[in-house]
Amino acid sequence: DVKVTQSSRYLVKRTGEKVFLECVQDMDHENMFWYRQDPGLGLRLIYFSYDVKMKEKGDIPEGYSVSREKKERFSLILESASTNQTSMYLCAASRGVGGANVLTFGAGSRLTVL
Amino acid sequence: GENVEQHPSTLSVQEGDSAVIKCTYSDSASNYFPWYKQELGKRPQLIIDIRSNVGEKKDQRIAVTLNKTAKHFSLHITETQPEDSAVYFCAAMDSSYKLIFGSGTRLLVRP
Repeated sequence: DVKVTQSSRYLVKRTGEKVFLECVQDMDHENMFWYRQDPGLGLRLIYFSYDVKMKEKGDIPEGYSVSREKKERFSLILESASTNQTSMYLCAASRGVGGANVLTFGAGSRLTVL
Repeated sequence: GENVEQHPSTLSVQEGDSAVIKCTYSDSASNYFPWYKQELGKRPQLIIDIRSNVGEKKDQRIAVTLNKTAKHFSLHITETQPEDSAVYFCAAMDSSYKLIFGSGTRLLVRP
């Protein structure tokens, strides 16, 4: 099984801080994704990447950026955290180029912005 | 872009009864429809998926049906058990290979 590890389970940050959420997968999967999960809104795609140094915007990219310098690592960056970014953030990985592939999720990072 | 709507938002059934969750999608080019289950405090996990070249797929007590003409697909769970209690998400893969999720259904199976 692919293991997707998110480095922080819980974070508390202040408004205006720069926040890094790290995600590492250990099975050489090409595709990586960042979603945020909010009650009643499901999982919304923030950014995704199909290859090293490649990134694509999802449905809600505003206020976020990403970095994929190595195949196994996909970082989500909040340049200046705001209270409306308080949420659960889920990283996921899948194999293959495009197409219909199973997402394996990390355990999530719950971010609170005060 | 793709939009996925999921109903109901909550569903309570008696143990042993069936549960049905329905989703509609907007992009007629979508051709892959997975369902994920998220137990309390855990990560979402794939339970079943269907591709647009089939109309129904079964795996033990769960089944998914797809109606491409109407652009809707459904999850059916028979003989529900307490361990089926979870949040279920449907999803559709759009033409740019993004997986768009529905808003989720919280299923409670009463013993």
